[in-house]
Amino acid sequence: DAKTTQPPSMDCAEGRAANLPCNHSTISGNEYVYWYRQIHSQGPQYIIHGLKNNETNEMASLIITEDRKSSTLILPHATLRDTAVYYCIVSEHGSSNTGKLIFGQGTTLQVKP
Amino acid sequence: EAGVAQSPRYKIIEKRQSVAFWCNPISGHATLYWYQQILGQGPKLLIQFQNNGVVDDSQLPKDRFSAERLKGVDSTLKIQPAKLEDSAVYLCASSPRGGIAKNIQYFGAGTRLSVL
Repeated sequence: DAKTTQPPSMDCAEGRAANLPCNHSTISGNEYVYWYRQIHSQGPQYIIHGLKNNETNEMASLIITEDRKSSTLILPHATLRDTAVYYCIVSEHGSSNTGKLIFGQGTTLQVKP
Repeated sequence: EAGVAQSPRYKIIEKRQSVAFWCNPISGHATLYWYQQILGQGPKLLIQFQNNGVVDDSQLPKDRFSAERLKGVDSTLKIQPAKLEDSAVYLCASSPRGGIAKNIQYFGAGTRLSVL
């Protein structure tokens, strides 16, 4: 079972920031938070990941709370092309890490004109 | 850089028939994954290869599903015989070998299977 909880759907106006929350209250010390998204009729696409510090790349920013029990993915200026299902996944690292990703149902983000 | 290639993109078969899907991962990626995605759900891992060895096939219905990765490159997933509940998108993904990169997977567009 997925170890994260996400709202099933969200709307965002084009050009505004989209803030997608994720709850991972049982996260352990060696688990990272990963975000992927899946645009209709495509495979999932990696967005960003983090351990405890905030992270930013060309696609998005990831804000992780100090207790690491929740995080927020921020798309700073959402466009219609950002309409997709967004998945928040926790996955461990270290010698036992096989790279296995367990997807939940994700959040369907609808960006509206 | 070429992405993960999958074929066919669509397949329609009748129940009890057999079907095979092909995947060519990104060049140099040691790890290959097959996922099943039923409509409205997130992808579910079926099998994971490291080079040509199986790392995890705990979710693969082995009575009807089989997969192989010859020479540690291309992979084939087969279903025989197919059931109605096998209707889904079958996604292939690959990732580099080590460390944190294992969890950064690159997905193909998938094969949409309809079993009638």
